[in-house]
Amino acid sequence: EAQVTQNPRYLITVTGKKLTVTCSQNMNHEYMSWYRQDPGLGLRQIYYSMNVEVTDKGDVPEGYKVSRKEKRNFPLILESPSPNQTSLYFCASSSTSGFYNEQFFGPGTRLTVL
Amino acid sequence: ILNVEQSPQSLHVQEGDSTNFTCSFPSSNFYALHWYRWETAKSPEALFVMTLNGDEKKKGRISATLNTKEGYSYLYIKGSQPEDSATYLCALADSGNTPLVFGKGTRLSVIA
Repeated sequence: EAQVTQNPRYLITVTGKKLTVTCSQNMNHEYMSWYRQDPGLGLRQIYYSMNVEVTDKGDVPEGYKVSRKEKRNFPLILESPSPNQTSLYFCASSSTSGFYNEQFFGPGTRLTVL
Repeated sequence: ILNVEQSPQSLHVQEGDSTNFTCSFPSSNFYALHWYRWETAKSPEALFVMTLNGDEKKKGRISATLNTKEGYSYLYIKGSQPEDSATYLCALADSGNTPLVFGKGTRLSVIA
């Protein structure tokens, strides 16, 4: 089944404790991205990747890191999480980087930073 | 910063009613417009990707139109059903290598 998976789905952590949210897709998609969803705001892009070893900042990259060592995986790293990073996070992928193609979203990760 | 506006913010309709909502965006530098349907506790699912002025797309009872010259897209739902209750998101790409910018969505509730 074609899908985007994220882990963990729920996470409660404390300020400053490094964490990684994994994202994997099995559709051989070139383009992957991370979004965060906060109440009253639209989905905002954190980072995106056009292909392996190619990543770029989205609208709200501060406090996040990403890597794209393999086509299928695009982990989101919070080196030193802070309470303002409490949010719902979505990973997404699409077949090309031209934005002509629909994005497939993962199930979401709800992160709480205390 | 690119601004994508959706209206109304929310609406309630009776089962069987038809409804529509709007996505507005700057008409310059248009590249593509996406519509997504987002049910509570699930992830957004693509409805349409539209790229040409005058585009009309349809999927079952849901259809969308695009006017890039005046900077808007309409989403129509014919004969709304309770299972149509969701937040409908539009997102704009103004070039091939900048982030998609999402609107805040229109939250639709269909009352049986």
